[in-house]
Amino acid sequence: GAGVSQSPSNKVTEKGKDVELRCDPISGHTALYWYRQSLGQGLEFLIYFQGNSAPDKSGLPSDRFSAERTGGSVSTLTIQRTQQEDSAVYLCASSLIGQGGETQYFGPGTRLLVL
Amino acid sequence: GNSVTQMEGPVTLSEEAFLTINCTYTATGYPSLFWYVQYPGEGLQLLLKATKADDKGSNKGFEATYRKETTSFHLEKGSVQVSDSAVYFCALSQQTGANNLFFGTGTRLTVIP
Repeated sequence: GAGVSQSPSNKVTEKGKDVELRCDPISGHTALYWYRQSLGQGLEFLIYFQGNSAPDKSGLPSDRFSAERTGGSVSTLTIQRTQQEDSAVYLCASSLIGQGGETQYFGPGTRLLVL
Repeated sequence: GNSVTQMEGPVTLSEEAFLTINCTYTATGYPSLFWYVQYPGEGLQLLLKATKADDKGSNKGFEATYRKETTSFHLEKGSVQVSDSAVYFCALSQQTGANNLFFGTGTRLTVIP
């Protein structure tokens, strides 16, 4: 079956602009995660969605970052007023029910470059 | 808090050499432990995992044993191949709560013929 897909694969934007990154999880997976992979910070957790529960936003680095998940499936990560330090690869992952020890399946990522 | 410390790279080995990549963790309770791998030009994928103490995860000739007494999950392979060249990430997740992964910094392995 299809894996996790993300779009766009690459995004170049100017400092101060807003960007939207999209994630399509594996069909039937109720848990969805966003991570960021950058040279300075490694792989870091951003936000977690599980079913209809309120998302866990504990990893979001600032209030310029937000995410939503519509209909329990597709998720969009929005970065407002982008800064150069936002340049990174943004990874989305999904798992079946979000249980401890579950395998998370990762998408190919969106590479964001803020000029 | 939760954190993972893994061996700094890069690591360069000749084909058929023995591989060890060290990983230790700090966590409350009893986390699950993972090794993820990122091959050149590809996304992150699970290599192996262990969900309780003394469990051994294994896949593609790689092994790692969950050692609670030393809070470690070292990755080993007896004979590496050129195709094993990749970046390896050790990670943990808690059994409750968000279950997000906490990653180590990654270790780049290059295997030369």
